[in-house]
Amino acid sequence: DTGVSQDPRHKITKRGQNVTFRCDPISEHNRLYWYRQTLGQGPEFLTYFQNEAQLEKSRLLSDRFSAERPKGSFSTLEIQRTEQGDSAMYLCASQASALYGYTFGSGTRLTVV
Amino acid sequence: KNEVEQSPQNLTAQEGEFITINCSYSVGISALHWLQQHPGGGIVSLFMLSSGKKKHGRLIATINIQEKHSSLHITASHPRDSAVYICAVSGETSGSRLTFGEGTQLTVNP
Repeated sequence: DTGVSQDPRHKITKRGQNVTFRCDPISEHNRLYWYRQTLGQGPEFLTYFQNEAQLEKSRLLSDRFSAERPKGSFSTLEIQRTEQGDSAMYLCASQASALYGYTFGSGTRLTVV
Repeated sequence: KNEVEQSPQNLTAQEGEFITINCSYSVGISALHWLQQHPGGGIVSLFMLSSGKKKHGRLIATINIQEKHSSLHITASHPRDSAVYICAVSGETSGSRLTFGEGTQLTVNP
C-alpha cells in the first residue's frame, strides 16, 4: 500500500467551471476526511466519511461542494461553479479508527483564475 | 480566539540548537496531534497523544491536560527539520475531525 493518493496534484480552472478531485485512502482505513488549506493557514475541516456514510459536513461546505465515497473506498470532492475564493490546497486523510493517527495525502492544489 | 493557538509563528535556529514549539487549546480533547508539513503540501503525522510524553528519535512531544498545553521539542536540530509544524486536536464532542493551529514555520540554518 502506498499511502493516501490524491489526484490531480494541481488543477488550474477558470471561474465558473466544475472540478472534481479524487482521494484513494489506505485500503484498511474506514474513516476518510477532506480538509481545505489556504496559504499561511492551518487546514480547515470540510467533511468526514465512515465507510460510505457521510457523517459530518462543515458549514464551509456550501451548496456548490459535494463529496461522495461510494462503496466506502475512494472518495471524490466536486466543486461546482468555482469561484476565486475556492483556490486552496484540498487535503484528504484517512484513519483506521479514532485510536490511531491520520495518514494524509499530498493534496490537490486548486487555482481558480 | 482560535481554539488551537501555537507559538511562535516563525522560528529560526542554528543547526544543533534545541527547539521548542508550544500549543495551547481551549476545548476538551480526546487527543492532540503534532504534524509536519513540507513545502508542496504533504503532511506527515509525528505524534498522537492524550497524556504524558512520547519520543521518536530527536522529537519529543509532551502534553499537560490540566493546563491544556502541549510542547514539541526537537533536539540537535538539523536543516532537514525545516518545515511547518502544526498542532491539531480532536475534540471530545467533535468526533475524530481535527481542529488545527496555524502552524509554526521552522527554519534551521547550517
